[in-house]
Amino acid sequence: NAGVTQTPKFRVLKTGQSMTLLCAQDMNHEYMYWYRQDPGMGLRLIHYSVGEGTTAKGEVPDGYNVSRLKKQNFLLGLESAAPSQTSVYFCASKFGRADTGELFFGEGSRLTVL
Amino acid sequence: GQNIDQPTEMTATEGAIVQINCTYQTSGFNGLFWYQQHAGEAPTFLSYNVLDGLEEKGRFSSFLSRSKGYSYLLLKELQMKDSASYLCAVKDSNYQLIWGAGTKLIIKP
Repeated sequence: NAGVTQTPKFRVLKTGQSMTLLCAQDMNHEYMYWYRQDPGMGLRLIHYSVGEGTTAKGEVPDGYNVSRLKKQNFLLGLESAAPSQTSVYFCASKFGRADTGELFFGEGSRLTVL
Repeated sequence: GQNIDQPTEMTATEGAIVQINCTYQTSGFNGLFWYQQHAGEAPTFLSYNVLDGLEEKGRFSSFLSRSKGYSYLLLKELQMKDSASYLCAVKDSNYQLIWGAGTKLIIKP
């Protein structure tokens, strides 16, 4: 039982390059989230999904796109990376809305944009 | 706007007790969470409070006062492995989590 797995763990990009972060969960969770974590700030929600085929914008969605084609996978894309997107990205999942809301996090993906 | 306030950093001694406070101002309230995050690792769930009062779980306890917009996490019998950041998060009226910046707890021998 792997829980939530993120790939890649580390990536360095040049400004303007594109990339995709993959999140996979094997807990049959409905809800999945992408957060970014920056020094001195709380986790900020980028996009989230409440089920297969659905996505919604979070607090800081600009510059990112997401897709949830399969229930177990949630992809985060950067079409044209900018230095402001240098951050640690966390994927998280949970069972549903009415539960206690405990989130299960992946190990994080550290992205540097030069 | 919505706001979660926690001290940036605290220092405590191994074997002692420490209380980490969290105050919040959010649009609605549907529960408060505490997570632990070791450096370079993912946050992990510690506790959940939705009603006023104290929830105890081993060496960790969490308290909530909804009327005061206040919570604290109490850590007893501190161990070196408790050195981590502690994140407070509130679920608002839209069931979205609003996160504090976290409190870095340093444990000294």
